[in-house]
Amino acid sequence: KQEVTQIPAALSVPEGENLVLNCSFTDSAIYNLQWFRQDPGKGLTSLLLIQSSQREQTSGRLNASLDKSSGRSTLYIAASQPGDSATYLCAVSGTGNQFYFGTGTSLTVIP
Amino acid sequence: SQTIHQWPATLVQPVGSPLSLECTVEGTSNPNLYWYRQAAGRGLQLLFYSVGIGQISSEVPQNLSASRPQDRQFILSSKKLLLSDSGFYLCAWSAGATQYFGPGTRLLVL
Repeated sequence: KQEVTQIPAALSVPEGENLVLNCSFTDSAIYNLQWFRQDPGKGLTSLLLIQSSQREQTSGRLNASLDKSSGRSTLYIAASQPGDSATYLCAVSGTGNQFYFGTGTSLTVIP
Repeated sequence: SQTIHQWPATLVQPVGSPLSLECTVEGTSNPNLYWYRQAAGRGLQLLFYSVGIGQISSEVPQNLSASRPQDRQFILSSKKLLLSDSGFYLCAWSAGATQYFGPGTRLLVL
């Protein structure tokens, strides 16, 4: 069964810093990988989707990369802002219709 | 555009009482539908998913059940709630690569 791990579990950075969140998965036979943001008590908001044939996706200050062979993805956030404070989750999908989630990284950006 | 609704937003129920959480999707047809539970400090656990009306797949054994009486309606139920059923329940839909989530229902079983 696919297992998804996210490191670190929590991260605190001063405003303006660039940061990297990590996601690893055990089964490289994935269809795609998706990064989400979750604010406290809220649902998940999709940030970036990387198809299995792609290596990276960019949206504004966010850049996500995918290395299927090593089972890793990173989410790079440039010039962090206090509004970026949230929990970030990655999810992978494979055969069937299931998505497997990591436990998330809780990010705090200090003004 | 597509939207997904969940209700109620918050629910407090005594142990042993029944449960019914509802999720509806608008603006799409024949979506895949999902129920997840997120316990405090833990990741999302997939509970059920459905690829069509009346088709339910369960990921983990539990005292919960799911039903899909209509194409865009997904219901999570229990006959008798346990304390361990407390958590944040999220409904999601997909029609391909991306999942879209509802606002969630916070359930507290006392």
